[in-house]
Amino acid sequence: NAGVTQTPKFRILKIGQSMTLQCTQDMNHNYMYWYRQDPGMGLKLIYYSVGAGITDKGEVPNGYNVSRSTTEDFPLRLELAAPSQTSVYFCASSYVLLTDTQYFGPGTRLTVL
Amino acid sequence: DAKTTQPNSMESNEEEPVHLPCNHSTISGTDYIHWYRQLPSQGPEYVIHGLTSNVNNRMASLAIAEDRKSSTLILHRATLRDAAVYYCILLPGNDMRFGAGTRLTVKP
Repeated sequence: NAGVTQTPKFRILKIGQSMTLQCTQDMNHNYMYWYRQDPGMGLKLIYYSVGAGITDKGEVPNGYNVSRSTTEDFPLRLELAAPSQTSVYFCASSYVLLTDTQYFGPGTRLTVL
Repeated sequence: DAKTTQPNSMESNEEEPVHLPCNHSTISGTDYIHWYRQLPSQGPEYVIHGLTSNVNNRMASLAIAEDRKSSTLILHRATLRDAAVYYCILLPGNDMRFGAGTRLTVKP
């Protein structure tokens, strides 16, 4: 199993550009999550999904959108990139919501200039 | 929301035991205590979790106070590869809100 994979690894955006961060898991987990981690800080939950077609907001959802059309994929979309969205983004998945072990991807480092 | 408090940093010598503390005085009866660690430039990885009883696995041990208001992650013999940021979180109480964690430095 590859676990949780994320693409791209690095990206530089200009203010106002848009992009989609890809996340795929092959563990047949129903639950998937997106986090951001600012330098020297812990992780903050952006959005999560409890299954295909169902998503919900986390702690810091503003400026982001998600969709979940399949069990495996959970892309995160930035519509109008802002410097405040410069961060490392981690995708994760778990078998059970929140209380279960979460498996994290390697992260996407995003810089908005 | 239940919150956790951890020291910002700790140091250990290689091959010595390390005790990483976590205070969670507002823990509820249904909260599990989870520990994750994050190696440099990597995503967090699961270490261990427990509810009331002490727990052991191949990576570490988790000692939970009788009143559950604190816990300690124990690395029995620290190696250089254990240098990481260690996060203590309560689930579902923390809603996966990671604090700054404890940065563990392991000296050779």
